[in-house]
Amino acid sequence: GAVVSQHPSWVICKSGTSVKIECRSLDFQATTMFWYRQFPKQSLMLMATSNEGSKATYEQGVEKDKFLINHASLTLSTLTVTSAHPEDSSFYICSASGGDSPLHFGNGTRLTVT
Amino acid sequence: TQLLEQSPQFLSIQEGENLTVYCNSSSVFSSLQWYRQEPGEGPVLLVTVVTGGEVKKLKRLTFQFGDARKDSSLHITAAQPGDTGLYLCAGGRTSYGKLTFGQGTILTVHP
Repeated sequence: GAVVSQHPSWVICKSGTSVKIECRSLDFQATTMFWYRQFPKQSLMLMATSNEGSKATYEQGVEKDKFLINHASLTLSTLTVTSAHPEDSSFYICSASGGDSPLHFGNGTRLTVT
Repeated sequence: TQLLEQSPQFLSIQEGENLTVYCNSSSVFSSLQWYRQEPGEGPVLLVTVVTGGEVKKLKRLTFQFGDARKDSSLHITAAQPGDTGLYLCAGGRTSYGKLTFGQGTILTVHP
């Protein structure tokens, strides 16, 4: 069964609104979660590393004020796309790690901004 | 910055054919993973290799890790339509930390 749950699976929002995506580890404590963005038929691009109880580390070129990440507990990290625009439309995927156990990926969230 | 060059980017073959996907880097990776991803879903881990020269087999899939731990390959024997998907290699210092992904290979196996 899925050990990392991502919600929602898909979301459509209007330009200018904000959208929150949740990533939950179901049966382990995730000290670290990673957020990726993926365009159609392309690979995963790491956006940020989220550590429980501390600020996220963003990759170069990723706007931290636009993509807000919160990792307030050992089982939940959230990614909020603020003031979304059509160019933010993408497939967002999280992965979670509980120490030295292998990474588990969520099933992704398809965001469409109209 | 560690980079992984994955090739080919696209592969379209007939059922029963063999194929190889390559993943190369100028950097050494302590751990390298291969994933398969279907549209609208997250990547699913196929294998992790950590030892230089390591060979792992998973049914019709054979994975190799280069002696210098800078390259890896995925070989599929007698491909089937069910093998169709996006194959991704990813490397990192560990199998549970930050990963660098290759560009991906879109494999289509025609019946």
